[in-house]
Amino acid sequence: NAGVTQTPKFQVLKTGQSMTLQCAQDMNHNSMYWYRQDPGMGLRLIYYSASEGTTDKGEVPNGYNVSRLNKREFSLRLESAAPSQTSVYFCASSEGVGGGLYEQYFGPGTRLTVT
Amino acid sequence: TQLLEQSPQFLSIQEGENLTVYCNSSSVFSSLQWYRQEPGEGPVLLVTVVTGGEVKKLKRLTFQFGDARKDSSLHITAAQPGDTGLYLCGAAGNKLTFGGGTRVLVKP
Repeated sequence: NAGVTQTPKFQVLKTGQSMTLQCAQDMNHNSMYWYRQDPGMGLRLIYYSASEGTTDKGEVPNGYNVSRLNKREFSLRLESAAPSQTSVYFCASSEGVGGGLYEQYFGPGTRLTVT
Repeated sequence: TQLLEQSPQFLSIQEGENLTVYCNSSSVFSSLQWYRQEPGEGPVLLVTVVTGGEVKKLKRLTFQFGDARKDSSLHITAAQPGDTGLYLCGAAGNKLTFGGGTRVLVKP
């Protein structure tokens, strides 16, 4: 099993460009998440999908959109990239949400730089 | 949204020394998870604590959950270079809220 995979691993964008980050999991998990990680700020939740067909905003959703394409795949789109979106992006999945009893499995991350 | 404060932000110690990192909030947690993240990788779960006063041990790592479920600590005994990484606590609600992390460097 590959676990959680993310593409691309690295990306450089110019301000105003758009791109989609792809995430897939092969663990048959119901829930998927997108986080961004900035120095000294831990992980901040952008969007999550509790189950196939649902998506909800997290702590920092502005400037992003998501699509839960099917149970396996959850993509994150930046419509008009800004330098403030320079960060490392992590996708994660878990069996379910709620109660904190579910382990989240993380992908290796995408390092995005916006110039 | 629960605000989680982790301290210290950075810790550098010699191999064989002990260390403790802390995770605190003004709110009560329903449960709390600790993750470790190595450079260039995603976080990996170490432990989940759910009961106030709970103590869990994972080899040289000891995790405590405060009686009031507002704080937690991670203690590493006889640290090794392999313990180097970013330690994150996450408090559970409908979704996890993470603290800012403690970066630990264990020098050989």
